[in-house]
Amino acid sequence: DTGVSQDPRHKITKRGQNVTFRCDPISEHNRLYWYRQTLGQGPEFLTYFQNEAQLEKSRLLSDRFSAERPKGSFSTLEIQRTEQGDSAMYLCASSPPGQPYEQYFGPGTRLTVT
Amino acid sequence: KQEVTQIPAALSVPEGENLVLNCSFTDSAIYNLQWFRQDPGKGLTSLLLIQSSQREQTSGRLNASLDKSSGRSTLYIAASQPGDSATYLCAAYSGYSTLTFGKGTMLLVSP
Repeated sequence: DTGVSQDPRHKITKRGQNVTFRCDPISEHNRLYWYRQTLGQGPEFLTYFQNEAQLEKSRLLSDRFSAERPKGSFSTLEIQRTEQGDSAMYLCASSPPGQPYEQYFGPGTRLTVT
Repeated sequence: KQEVTQIPAALSVPEGENLVLNCSFTDSAIYNLQWFRQDPGKGLTSLLLIQSSQREQTSGRLNASLDKSSGRSTLYIAASQPGDSATYLCAAYSGYSTLTFGKGTMLLVSP
């Protein structure tokens, strides 16, 4: 059984550049979530999708952030004009139909903005 | 707004000790509660999921309890081992099925 996968695992970028992360959920999981974790903190919710619809966005998700889930399969999270404060671990999770309160997490993408 | 607090922030124990990690949440209207383990620089590994109708869950040397009325959960680790060294995160499911995490307890088990 393949788990949640994320790509890339690590990304180093210069301030001002755009970056895009990908998340592939567990097959047939209809809900997909993005969280961000900064050093020494617990993960914080960013946004989630049910199928292809983006249903909730946190106030943490500034205008520089955009997430998509075309066709309700994989999802991408793009950060435009990166800032040093964007350096964090970006975690993706998915949950199966009828079980939204049981999320399975991927390995995360660690972003470093220099 | 749900807030999750974990105490202590860090814990150091010798191998073999039994220990308890504490988690409290402000809004008792939670659905499930989940405990995770996180190794340095890594993602989250789910340890135990307690459904809102349950009082506890057990897996091997781990036992987690949930008391919604008091807004508390505990994670009990029996006979700790150096391999248990990690950060343990507690998270509560609230509305919209989003998780609210605590900041974690960093555990160090010395041989």
